[in-house]
Amino acid sequence: NAGVTQTPKFQVLKTGQSMTLQCAQDMNHNSMYWYRQDPGMGLRLIYYSASEGTTDKGEVPNGYNVSRLNKREFSLRLESAAPSQTSVYFCAGSMGSDYGYTFGSGTRLTVV
Amino acid sequence: QKEVEQNSGPLSVPEGAIASLNCTYSDRGSQSFFWYRQYSGKSPELIMFIYSNGDKEDGRFTAQLNKASQYVSLLIRDSQPSDSATYLCAVNVDLNDMRFGAGTRLTVKP
Repeated sequence: NAGVTQTPKFQVLKTGQSMTLQCAQDMNHNSMYWYRQDPGMGLRLIYYSASEGTTDKGEVPNGYNVSRLNKREFSLRLESAAPSQTSVYFCAGSMGSDYGYTFGSGTRLTVV
Repeated sequence: QKEVEQNSGPLSVPEGAIASLNCTYSDRGSQSFFWYRQYSGKSPELIMFIYSNGDKEDGRFTAQLNKASQYVSLLIRDSQPSDSATYLCAVNVDLNDMRFGAGTRLTVKP
């Protein structure tokens, strides 16, 4: 049982480059989320998907786009990376808000 | 602003002692509350959740909630070196809107 799987684990980008972070879950979660974690800031919600075919902005959506490809997969895209997007990114899934989240292992992204 | 505040620590306790971690939140409408443990370089892992005022116990962990004071705490009894981690308090302020504190780093010394 893989749970929530993220790829890649590490990535270095140059300013202006684009990339897509992949997330897949095999836990039959309806809801999926993308968070970023920065030192001293805690986890901040970028985007979420309450169900297949729907996506909504979170607290810090600027510079990102998402796609809920199907129930299992939820990807995060950086169209033009900036140094301010250097962070650790976590994907999470949940059966519903009251159940808590299961997190993937994270992607450590550095933009130079 | 829907804030969740935690003391960043570090909190250091000797092995076998009780560790007490505290969290306050600003949104009075919040209904569900969570504690996550995060080891260095790893992802957060859910360890406790609580919805009602009072105490909830699970093994060595006890979560305490006081909605009137907007206060959540986590007690770890008989602390072990393996409990050394950062503990994140999280509050559901709205459907699909879970806000996290910055975390308290706990060190348990043998």
